[in-house]
Amino acid sequence: LAKTTQPISMDSYEGQEVNITCSHNNIATNDYITWYQQFPSQGPRFIIQGYKTKVTNEVASLFIPADRKSSTLSLPRVSLSDTAVYYCLVVPTGTGGFKTIFGAGTRLFVKA
Amino acid sequence: DVKVTQSSRYLVKRTGEKVFLECVQDMDHENMFWYRQDPGLGLRLIYFSYDVKMKEKGDIPEGYSVSREKKERFSLILESASTNQTSMYLCASSSGGINIQYFGAGTRLSVL
Repeated sequence: LAKTTQPISMDSYEGQEVNITCSHNNIATNDYITWYQQFPSQGPRFIIQGYKTKVTNEVASLFIPADRKSSTLSLPRVSLSDTAVYYCLVVPTGTGGFKTIFGAGTRLFVKA
Repeated sequence: DVKVTQSSRYLVKRTGEKVFLECVQDMDHENMFWYRQDPGLGLRLIYFSYDVKMKEKGDIPEGYSVSREKKERFSLILESASTNQTSMYLCASSSGGINIQYFGAGTRLSVL
């Protein structure tokens, strides 16, 4: 089964682009990668998901290399309000979908 | 907007008590989940339900049980609370696939 590994924390300044990488060894061919954002006192909120190459929405981009052993969440021009914990999620399809492999989370702190 | 409501934000219970955590979703989602969230460990799946009266064990089901008598409601039960069950508990729901989940705000349970 895939195991996900993320950096524990990252610091950035307002206006910078932030890239958070998640390593997912042993990811299966059909497994999607999903990213969530969590603010204090709230549950995680879906940001973006992808399967391969690049996905972009109004909030973020997700880059997945050909070997799919990692994925990078890219937040363009962060603001103070992007300070949060970011989780990657892999749902192994081979197990019937009853496992959810969340990373331990990356705490992003955006400074003025 | 999908709304997932957890009945309590904070609970304090005594060791040995039976504890009920309630979760209600208003979007007619088939799938519902219970997680516990601990610092450095991310989110760990306790139980998953894909239909009324149907349940599957997640990664850490020991010491917990669940009940889903109605589609919109998923209850987590601690039969005999112990101090190592002090944690943040998060409920989520999803429709169709389980990559995109909608979370409640969480219940912080302290067992003394």
